Amino acid sequence: ETGVTQSPTHLIKTRGQQVTLRCSSQSGHNTVSWYQQALGQGPQFIFQYYREEENGRGNFPPRFSGLQFPNYSSELNVNALELDDSALYLCASRSRGADTQYFGPGTRLTVL
Amino acid sequence: GEDVEQSLFLSVREGDSSVINCTYTDSSSTYLYWYKQEPGAGLQLLTYIFSNMDMKQDQRLTVLLNKKDKHLSLRIADTQTGDSAIYFCAEYPGTYKYIFGTGTRLKVLA
Repeated sequence: ETGVTQSPTHLIKTRGQQVTLRCSSQSGHNTVSWYQQALGQGPQFIFQYYREEENGRGNFPPRFSGLQFPNYSSELNVNALELDDSALYLCASRSRGADTQYFGPGTRLTVL
Repeated sequence: GEDVEQSLFLSVREGDSSVINCTYTDSSSTYLYWYKQEPGAGLQLLTYIFSNMDMKQDQRLTVLLNKKDKHLSLRIADTQTGDSAIYFCAEYPGTYKYIFGTGTRLKVLA
């Protein structure tokens, strides 16, 4: 148990819809990152939030957006869902400047 | 590029040692990690090594780092059926993102 929680655990949406995924970071961790893990692949970095601002982004289009709240929890929003967005979405938290990040159990998103 | 490479599959017998290999790309990576993922679960941090180290041992786990060849390996001694999982190596070049390999699926035969 890492102390990082995510909700929901599973989600089914249809193409064109919008989805919001949630993450609560481990106590004391102020930096949250989101990753997309397609089936059979390694996690791909989406973006990172620190002090409620995005401070790093991977190769994902603008329809992937996020928020971080004063309690360091975070949301990942995806608009105009596409079939290829079907994946496990992982949230990871760490303290700023820390060596390691810790992952939550993920949200499995299926887009039909 | 940003490709961290790993072999896809490894099969070993219970009680044997497993060695999982990884080749990373960024020579400036400050830390290198090994994560374990069981079916339907998130990633569990197993161990990590700082780039100025050659080796790190943690109970049954031994990490070897060859910076010249950008090669990282994870040895699991006395492999058990509970070690069956996908193992990911990841590099952290000191920016904001961790770069993961595609994972090695370890199957332990009883």
